[in-house]
Amino acid sequence: EPEVTQTPSHQVTQMGQEVILRCVPISNHLYFYWYRQILGQKVEFLVSFYNNEISEKSEIFDDQFSVERPDGSNFTLKIRSTKLEDSAMYFCASSPRTLNTEAFFGQGTRLTVV
Amino acid sequence: SQQGEEDPQALSIQEGENATMNCSYKTSINNLQWYRQNSGRGLVHLILIRSNEREKHSGRLRVTLDTSKKSSSLLITASRAADTASYFCAPSGGSNYKLTFGKGTLLTVNP
Repeated sequence: EPEVTQTPSHQVTQMGQEVILRCVPISNHLYFYWYRQILGQKVEFLVSFYNNEISEKSEIFDDQFSVERPDGSNFTLKIRSTKLEDSAMYFCASSPRTLNTEAFFGQGTRLTVV
Repeated sequence: SQQGEEDPQALSIQEGENATMNCSYKTSINNLQWYRQNSGRGLVHLILIRSNEREKHSGRLRVTLDTSKKSSSLLITASRAADTASYFCAPSGGSNYKLTFGKGTLLTVNP
């Protein structure tokens, strides 16, 4: 069964460093998303991406965040200068067609900023 | 934004019993989705019910939707220990390019 894959599963980084979280959405899906979940808190929307551009972003998604679909399969989230409060699980998701359909989530990358 | 609020926040039952979780929302929707999250893992889509549907079944899951009350319920019948997880509703509609999740219902099924 097709699935969304994320790498790495766990990343530890020094505060101030740049990190890139990688995702391979399900092929033929058109909409892509990043969410994050700080330990013990709810899953928060970061950004949605369609047709090679950002469709919507949250207040969390400030200038230190960026997304890219560098080729036909990968979808990346870059955090330019990590802060301690960026420590969280980051989930990638994709949807097969237009909005308002089910989303398929990856297993997440646990980012720890020290 | 179209965020659902799940109730109760926590539910503990014995294996074999039924579990009912509720969701309320505030705006008009095209559909409402339910997701499950095992601790520390990604969300798994369970079921989607459209705004013109009142009830939908999938295996041991039964979802109802009352658009006049802006509410939905998820019933899990004959629960199993493996059903232990957090459950979230996600109302969806309009031009939102996102799903918004609430705090969920933490279901614990005791063996």
